[in-house]
Amino acid sequence: DAKTTQPNSMESNEEEPVHLPCNHSTISGTDYIHWYRQLPSQGPEYVIHGLTSNVNNRMASLAIAEDRKSSTLILHRATLRDAAVYYCILRAQGAQKLVFGQGTRLTINP
Amino acid sequence: EPEVTQTPSHQVTQMGQEVILRCVPISNHLYFYWYRQILGQKVEFLVSFYNNEISEKSEIFDDQFSVERPDGSNFTLKIRSTKLEDSAMYFCASNLRQGNTEAFFGQGTRLTVV
Repeated sequence: DAKTTQPNSMESNEEEPVHLPCNHSTISGTDYIHWYRQLPSQGPEYVIHGLTSNVNNRMASLAIAEDRKSSTLILHRATLRDAAVYYCILRAQGAQKLVFGQGTRLTINP
Repeated sequence: EPEVTQTPSHQVTQMGQEVILRCVPISNHLYFYWYRQILGQKVEFLVSFYNNEISEKSEIFDDQFSVERPDGSNFTLKIRSTKLEDSAMYFCASNLRQGNTEAFFGQGTRLTVV
């Protein structure tokens, strides 16, 4: 499974945008970029995914570099509820399992 | 909103005992998974299940583990003879279809082996 690199932790303030980076320099052409998050004492929760183009949904935006070797998850206006561990995961076309790394622990200050 | 339900939320068992962790996936989903997370560590894939058979399993999923979908709604993980190192959070997940779709996770069962 292709590897991703994320900062161990990040901190931001409530109501400000947050940009969570992910490097995946060995990504292959058929790998999708998925983001999940895990709130304290809960199971992982899907956030967003994409292949080449930037994606938006009600939770976040995903900005994918043109060479696809990095991506950024954007939370447009962080709330205290967004404090979680965020995982950037590469998932090959047709793959079933998700391979979780250590993720980025995001702290939101009030 | 549909959700994956897991029971019990916490199970304590003695070493060597058998445990069954239960999950009710989202009703129209076809792909089912178990993951585990030892305290302070990564979420690890255990097994995937489709069309009433295991489609993939990890090295962790040895002969002590088994999965079953006994009645078309429940999805269970059995650990035959628990060890101390089986203590972890166990998460069930389901997908509507294969590949790049959203996986829905349950809230987990905390298994404590004493």
